Amino acid sequence: AQSVTQPDIHITVSEGASLELRCNYSYGATPYLFWYVQSPGQGLQLLLKYFSGDTLVQGIKGFEAEFKRSQSSFNLRKPSVHWSDAAEYFCAVGPPRGDDKIIFGKGTRLHILP
Amino acid sequence: DAGVIQSPRHEVTEMGQEVTLRCKPISGHNSLFWYRQTMMRGLELLIYFNNNVPIDDSGMPEDRFSAKMPNASFSTLKIQPSEPRDSAVYFCASRGYGGGVSGYEQYFGPGTRLTVT
Repeated sequence: AQSVTQPDIHITVSEGASLELRCNYSYGATPYLFWYVQSPGQGLQLLLKYFSGDTLVQGIKGFEAEFKRSQSSFNLRKPSVHWSDAAEYFCAVGPPRGDDKIIFGKGTRLHILP
Repeated sequence: DAGVIQSPRHEVTEMGQEVTLRCKPISGHNSLFWYRQTMMRGLELLIYFNNNVPIDDSGMPEDRFSAKMPNASFSTLKIQPSEPRDSAVYFCASRGYGGGVSGYEQYFGPGTRLTVT
């Protein structure tokens, strides 16, 4: 069955510290992969996406993610977090042909300590 | 581009009343998705359309929920009659079909916060 697992419901880091949010997926083929961010009271905004090619992808707001096929993972990283990064982060996967629905993980809520 | 537009942004209604949520997708996008988000269940896909045709409505909770997309620029999600357990934030998202390595991400609207008392 197709699924996305974000094992951490909540993560707390200090401002300026590095961040890694985990995402594992189960899919029949190499899927399209996405990370979205949701600030309080807002809709979801695309941070970055991976379709093919270089397995390290750069996104907006200084985020990057690395696709590891052997681990079925697509972890999100940022070298130094800012207080404005406090939000909920969703990993999502979609079919290779791209014309079907995508499956979202349950999200990881990021808290930033001053 | 104005992005995905949803209305109303907030809706408070009494149990038993009909509720209609509206969505205007990004111009040129050919897929539209309705989601519901609650603390307990997270983000759930209710239904999605390709080229105005419903493709998968398996997420629609029950017959009280219905969705239509009469044309490429407008969709509605209707709940009749509404119940307190329908209280949630409802998101609409649209997706273009750019082919290649672009066009498969979804763009979300700001959501409609529904409260049924």
